[in-house]
Amino acid sequence: DIVMTQSPDSLAVSLGERATINCKSSQSLFSSFNNKNHLAWYQQKPRQPPKLLIYWASTRESGVPDRFSGSGSGTDFTLTISSLQAEDVAVYYCQQYNNIPYTFGQGTKLEIK
Amino acid sequence: QVQLQQSGPGLVKPSQTLSLTCVISGDSVSSNSAAWNWIRQSPSGGLEWLGRTYYRSKWYNDYAASVKSRITFNPDTSKNQFSLQLNSVTPEDTAVYFCARVAATTGSFVNWGRGTLVTVSS
Repeated sequence: DIVMTQSPDSLAVSLGERATINCKSSQSLFSSFNNKNHLAWYQQKPRQPPKLLIYWASTRESGVPDRFSGSGSGTDFTLTISSLQAEDVAVYYCQQYNNIPYTFGQGTKLEIK
Repeated sequence: QVQLQQSGPGLVKPSQTLSLTCVISGDSVSSNSAAWNWIRQSPSGGLEWLGRTYYRSKWYNDYAASVKSRITFNPDTSKNQFSLQLNSVTPEDTAVYFCARVAATTGSFVNWGRGTLVTVSS
């Protein structure tokens, strides 16, 4: 199974500042079949299901604010929130879908400093 | 807009069978461009993919190794839904269970059910 490791486990950022979450996979998530990285990012707020933010490592899902961006390739990926808003407080997960079984990172808890 | 409506009991006794259903609106369980998944979230927050069912001229199922011997998915085209059965449950199966749709365009879980907390306890 592909192991997904996020860092840090928790993060406190001031409103309006940049937040960066990293995700590392134990195997490359790049597929030569479609030339894409099979990596997604989700945001989860309490008592809600995860919400898809980013897929194919860098494509923003419809309706997601443009302060959210994804980058990276191969085994190293980053989710960046360019200017933190109060409503961004949540737990963020990365997930690989290059191989079955699909696997998730352990989550990063983002709070306001 | 695709919506997933989950139903099923919130309490199951040890050694019994956990059964959940996910009713689909806005898409078809037999769509050739979607896959239908079950995911659970432990009380500590970790997300675990349990498996998927999908139709590509015939039905396919993939299951996580951790539950493969105990799990069954049943798509029902007449009701446009899919279900999860997990046999011989233990307290370690206590979790929030989500159904989720993968769309071929995104490859990822684009639609989720609201989740069902299932507690395994006598």
